[in-house]
Amino acid sequence: GAGVSQSPRYKVAKRGQDVALRCDPISGHVSLFWYQQALGQGPEFLTYFQNEAQLDKSGLPSDRFFAERPEGSVSTLKIQRTQQEDSAVYLCASSARRLAGETQYFGPGTRLLVL
Amino acid sequence: EDQVTQSPEALRLQEGESSSLNCSYTVSGLRGLFWYRQDPGKGPEFLFTLYSAGEEKEKERLKATLTKKESFLHITAPKPEDSATYLCAVPIIQGAQKLVFGQGTRLTINP
Repeated sequence: GAGVSQSPRYKVAKRGQDVALRCDPISGHVSLFWYQQALGQGPEFLTYFQNEAQLDKSGLPSDRFFAERPEGSVSTLKIQRTQQEDSAVYLCASSARRLAGETQYFGPGTRLLVL
Repeated sequence: EDQVTQSPEALRLQEGESSSLNCSYTVSGLRGLFWYRQDPGKGPEFLFTLYSAGEEKEKERLKATLTKKESFLHITAPKPEDSATYLCAVPIIQGAQKLVFGQGTRLTINP
């Protein structure tokens, strides 16, 4: 079946621009996660949704970052007034249930470059 | 503090030369340890989940093992297509089932 998809795959933004990154999770998956991956590092948690509810946003680096999942399926990560330090790969993952230790399946990521 | 540390950071092997990657963790109440493979420009691809000390799982040339403090990913007679970054992660259950990742081991298999 179809995996997690993300769009766009690449985004170049000028400093100060707003960007929106989209994630389509695996159909029927309850949990959705956003991670940020810097070059040469492991992914770092940003935020978590259970259906449409955002249960944890402790990893969002600033109030310029905002995520939503209004219908419990597709999610959008929005970054306002982008800064150069926002340049990274943004990964979306989904898991079937809300249980601890459930396998998370990742999308291909969106590579964001802020100039 | 919950931490995951992987070693070595990078490893170069000749085709057929077996070795092991290490993942050590400090987390209260382990609820599984995950291994992922990541190719350049792609998202992490799930390999294994281990839930309890002594558990082992195998897939082709890869075998993952788990103790109370660390996990090993053993690679037997690797091929060039096994070249990738291997990531381990543990779930942290504090409001969210987020994964805490190590920094990864970049594995290169030379033909």
